[in-house]
Amino acid sequence: TQLLEQSPQFLSIQEGENLTVYCNSSSVFSSLQWYRQEPGEGPVLLVTVVTGGEVKKLKRLTFQFGDARKDSSLHITAAQPGDTGLYLCPQGGGGNKLTFGTGTQLKVEL
Amino acid sequence: GAGVSQSPSNKVTEKGKDVELRCDPISGHTALYWYRQSLGQGLEFLIYFQGNSAPDKSGLPSDRFSAERTGGSVSTLTIQRTQQEDSAVYLCASSLSGRAGGNEQFFGPGTRLTVL
Repeated sequence: TQLLEQSPQFLSIQEGENLTVYCNSSSVFSSLQWYRQEPGEGPVLLVTVVTGGEVKKLKRLTFQFGDARKDSSLHITAAQPGDTGLYLCPQGGGGNKLTFGTGTQLKVEL
Repeated sequence: GAGVSQSPSNKVTEKGKDVELRCDPISGHTALYWYRQSLGQGLEFLIYFQGNSAPDKSGLPSDRFSAERTGGSVSTLTIQRTQQEDSAVYLCASSLSGRAGGNEQFFGPGTRLTVL
């Protein structure tokens, strides 16, 4: 049975702070995607990482894929209220579906 | 719009009634997925369509749940004899092809179902 864990589960910070959220799996990701879901909306893809050790940047967001492709981190610099949302790193792989954990609920306050 | 659309956006029904939820995927996307998101739970896979066929129905929680897709486009998720535990947000997603993890899934805004 695959285990997918995201931490922390909840995070409330002030605007301008930095933060890191983590995604860990008991099995290897063939590739890993990060999605963000805002209230009342469906998840939206932020990034896909494929190669172990890969680092991708999206403005103030930095995504890192672990060397063994079993974990990933998302670092946000100088968080803004618009970063508020549920961050998800579903597990894909050989199947056709995405398996989601409970995600990290981020709230950035003014 | 060019995105995935779902209707209705909200549905309130009484226990025991049947409901139909509709999903219009992005034009040209062959793969379509239904997920369920309950309060405090992660997104739970329900069913996957490739074209009009459903090669993976493993997530449907009971035989009260069924789905179909016609013309390789619109999909309907039907819940018969609804129960209170069916209350959730039902999300539909589509992708160009059915290879998860490598292809982006585009999600609709969801249908919030409340069973009284």
